[in-house]
Amino acid sequence: AAGVIQSPRHLIKEKRETATLKCYPIPRHDTVYWYQQGPGQDPQFLISFYEKMQSDKGSIPDRFSAQQFSDYHSELNMSSLELGDSALYFCASSPPRPTYEQYFGPGTRLTVT
Amino acid sequence: AQSVTQPDIHITVSEGASLELRCNYSYGATPYLFWYVQSPGQGLQLLLKYFSGDTLVQGIKGFEAEFKRSQSSFNLRKPSVHWSDAAEYFCAVGSPSGGYNKLIFGAGTRLAVHP
Repeated sequence: AAGVIQSPRHLIKEKRETATLKCYPIPRHDTVYWYQQGPGQDPQFLISFYEKMQSDKGSIPDRFSAQQFSDYHSELNMSSLELGDSALYFCASSPPRPTYEQYFGPGTRLTVT
Repeated sequence: AQSVTQPDIHITVSEGASLELRCNYSYGATPYLFWYVQSPGQGLQLLLKYFSGDTLVQGIKGFEAEFKRSQSSFNLRKPSVHWSDAAEYFCAVGSPSGGYNKLIFGAGTRLAVHP
């Protein structure tokens, strides 16, 4: 079965640089979520999109932005990177209602040096 | 506000022994409840979910969980643990209201399995 695809899987950036993470949801899933997982932490919700519109926002820094495109893939743009942004970034997708489970991608490991 | 508590940070069991991982949630109504498993450096795999109905739910890999409203708990169980079950387990709650159901995770329980 198709899964959520994230690219790149690993990314190394320097402080103050910009990073773009991509997410391709499972086909026919209409909602995409982004989570951040710091070392030894639980995943923290950042932002979500339903049918290409932002649907919910969590603890996402103003330096980060995201969007969902017409083909339902999503991108998380991170600017002015800080050391504390080093984390695993997960994308998840969920199928149309009434199901509510989220299926996670393998994650992008971002290291900021 | 919703919250999830996993009281056990680390659990060690012997292979073949039974397992119970605890999860307590705080929410004003019946939430949607999930258990996910994460191997080191990997994504989160959905083990099982509870939305409504039968309070004992079966999941993949031989896991089950029981929703107990009176105790605000959703404990994960497995009758016989395999070495490959060693991983981190996250309980999560989603809100059935507000439409889009972001997940709130517990801090996780790391499971080690002795041969």
